[in-house]
Amino acid sequence: DGGITQSPKYLFRKEGQNVTLSCEQNLNHDAMYWYRQDPGQGLRLIYYSQIVNDFQKGDIAEGYSVSREKKESFPLTVTSAQKNPTAFYLCASSIPPSNVLTFGAGSRLTVL
Amino acid sequence: EDQVTQSPEALRLQEGESSSLNCSYTVSGLRGLFWYRQDPGKGPEFLFTLYSAGEEKEKERLKATLTKKESFLHITAPKPEDSATYLCAVDGNNRKLIWGLGTSLGVNP
Repeated sequence: DGGITQSPKYLFRKEGQNVTLSCEQNLNHDAMYWYRQDPGQGLRLIYYSQIVNDFQKGDIAEGYSVSREKKESFPLTVTSAQKNPTAFYLCASSIPPSNVLTFGAGSRLTVL
Repeated sequence: EDQVTQSPEALRLQEGESSSLNCSYTVSGLRGLFWYRQDPGKGPEFLFTLYSAGEEKEKERLKATLTKKESFLHITAPKPEDSATYLCAVDGNNRKLIWGLGTSLGVNP
């Protein structure tokens, strides 16, 4: 079945450590997105990519980095510069120009 | 400023008790309004897209409607498995999705 796979599901890290969240899709979608979800806040866009080897900052890109070397993969690195990294991270994809998103199951990052 | 407001924040129903969730929006040039369902600890799942005022879409016990200012998600005779958070998002002229905070729905058996 086609879909988006995020890993790991749960991740614990110490302050000051960089972590990378994996996102892989087999839907052949051109566009991929990273969102952050916090209690009491709507989904906030971190980065998005419309095509391989190109990506754009979203609303809250500071402290994060991404790459898009393959159509299927869009990993997110949470760097030590991100002040409040503990959150639920969601990867999504779509077929432009549609904004109908298919989401992965999410990765919950806890920084101790 | 583009904005989406969902109400109520939380709703608890008895099985079979129909109700509606509201999504009020302000956006320049609505290109689409989206409803998603999210179960605890999982990613949102797409339900509906509405594009113009007067449009309606149905899926099982759910029916979504759209006016120029708001959308309603009507739930008819809900079952416990309909318990979830329902998210609304709008796409406007700036081509950026604006998300509401969601309505948490619980259905008692």
